[in-house]
Amino acid sequence: AQSVTQLGSHVSVSEGALVLLRCNYSSSVPPYLFWYVQYPNQGLQLLLKYTTGATLVKGINGFEAEFKKSETSFHLTKPSAHMSDAAEYFCAVSLASGYSTLTFGKGTMLLVSP
Amino acid sequence: NAGVMQNPRHLVRRRGQEARLRCSPMKGHSHVYWYRQLPEEGLKFMVYLQKENIIDESGMPKERFSAEFPKEGPSILRIQQVVRGDSAAYFCASSRADEQYFGPGTRLTVT
Repeated sequence: AQSVTQLGSHVSVSEGALVLLRCNYSSSVPPYLFWYVQYPNQGLQLLLKYTTGATLVKGINGFEAEFKKSETSFHLTKPSAHMSDAAEYFCAVSLASGYSTLTFGKGTMLLVSP
Repeated sequence: NAGVMQNPRHLVRRRGQEARLRCSPMKGHSHVYWYRQLPEEGLKFMVYLQKENIIDESGMPKERFSAEFPKEGPSILRIQQVVRGDSAAYFCASSRADEQYFGPGTRLTVT
C-alpha cells in the first residue's frame, strides 16, 4: 500500500520569498512521484514528476522537487513566490509501472501576500 | 488537441435521484480514472477503466456507484439514489502512459 503525507494544510509566504511545500511518501516498491496544482474550481495541472534518473526534477512555473529516497521525501520548492502561485498543491505517488492509480496527499494551500 | 472534457461542470440532484457524470478522454488515450474530492480532503481514487473493461474498482463504494467506458462514447460514472454524503467534486483523468491528465471536474451537490 502507498500513502502520502503533506505537512501543513496551509503555508503562507510573502511575494518574493522561498516556497517550500513538504511531502513524504510511503511505498513498498519504487515509486513514481508527482506534484499537481489546483486553482479554484479547476482541475489538476501537473507541475512535475519523478520517474527514474535525476533526483532533482524541474517543472513548470519555476518549481522543482528533489526525490530523497533515504528520507522518503519529495519536497516542492520555488526560489521566489509570485502572487499567481497562490493555489492548492497536491503531492501524489503511484507504482513505478505506468498505468497506475495515483494516491494523493490531502493538499497544501499556498497563500502569497504582497 | 482538446484536453479531458467533463460534463456537466455542476450538477444538482435531490436525495434519491440519479447522477450521471461524463468524461471524454484526450484523443488517443484509452485509459480513464475517476477520483472523488471531498471538502478538506485530497483526491481519492475510485475506479480505473480501459475501453469496455474495468481494471480496478477497489476505490468504488460497493453500492449505488457504477462506471463504464464503452467502445464508443465517453466514460460514465453513475450514482444511483444519491445521498448528501455524495456531494463532492468528481474528477476524471486519462492517460496513455505514466502521466494522467485531469479534466475540470463535475461538482455534484445533493440537496
